[in-house]
Amino acid sequence: ETGVTQTPRHLVMGMTNKKSLKCEQHLGHNAMYWYKQSAKKPLELMFVYSLEERVENNSVPSRFSPECPNSSHLFLHLHTLQPEDSALYLCASSHVIGGNQPQHFGDGTRLSIL
Amino acid sequence: GIQVEQSPPDLILQEGANSTLRCNFSDSVNNLQWFHQNPWGQLINLFYIPSGTKQNGRLSATTVATERYSLLYISSSQTTDSGVYFCAVGYAGTASKLTFGTGTRLQVTL
Repeated sequence: ETGVTQTPRHLVMGMTNKKSLKCEQHLGHNAMYWYKQSAKKPLELMFVYSLEERVENNSVPSRFSPECPNSSHLFLHLHTLQPEDSALYLCASSHVIGGNQPQHFGDGTRLSIL
Repeated sequence: GIQVEQSPPDLILQEGANSTLRCNFSDSVNNLQWFHQNPWGQLINLFYIPSGTKQNGRLSATTVATERYSLLYISSSQTTDSGVYFCAVGYAGTASKLTFGTGTRLQVTL
């Protein structure tokens, strides 16, 4: 139990569907992150939120839309995805943002686009 | 950006053997973490070790920040140690980004 919970664990969707990934952290952290892990590629940072404000967006296509309603919850809204978006999506949190803060990861959502 | 290289890329061990995994990075860092990703995709935090040495059971890690490398030691390996080991670094040039290496895939056999 890492203190970071992601749902669903698996998701299969068509290219025209709209779905959302959810992340919740119970660690009292103020920073939350979305990462993407594609096959045979290193984990890539997608978005960073600090105290519900987006502080980093790593050139992610607009078909991925994050939302952080409070410091404990983070969503990733998905629409009109492409087959290359199939990947493991990992959420993480840290006490505050900063290169010297350890990040704690959830178990991920494995997404498959048909 | 910062480069993170891990070696070896693949490793097969017999149960009970010891191993050393290496992580080289190209710039000064103020965060270094080792993770184990199990076959189900779960990313487990092993060590937060921007410098120095830490031990946790059969695992230990050493980071020599001045020489820009970190080592993860696995002793008396078990089949449950199988998976991919990632090194990730953060540095003062970015407020939040962890840059991951490509990992070492470890298989422990009976």
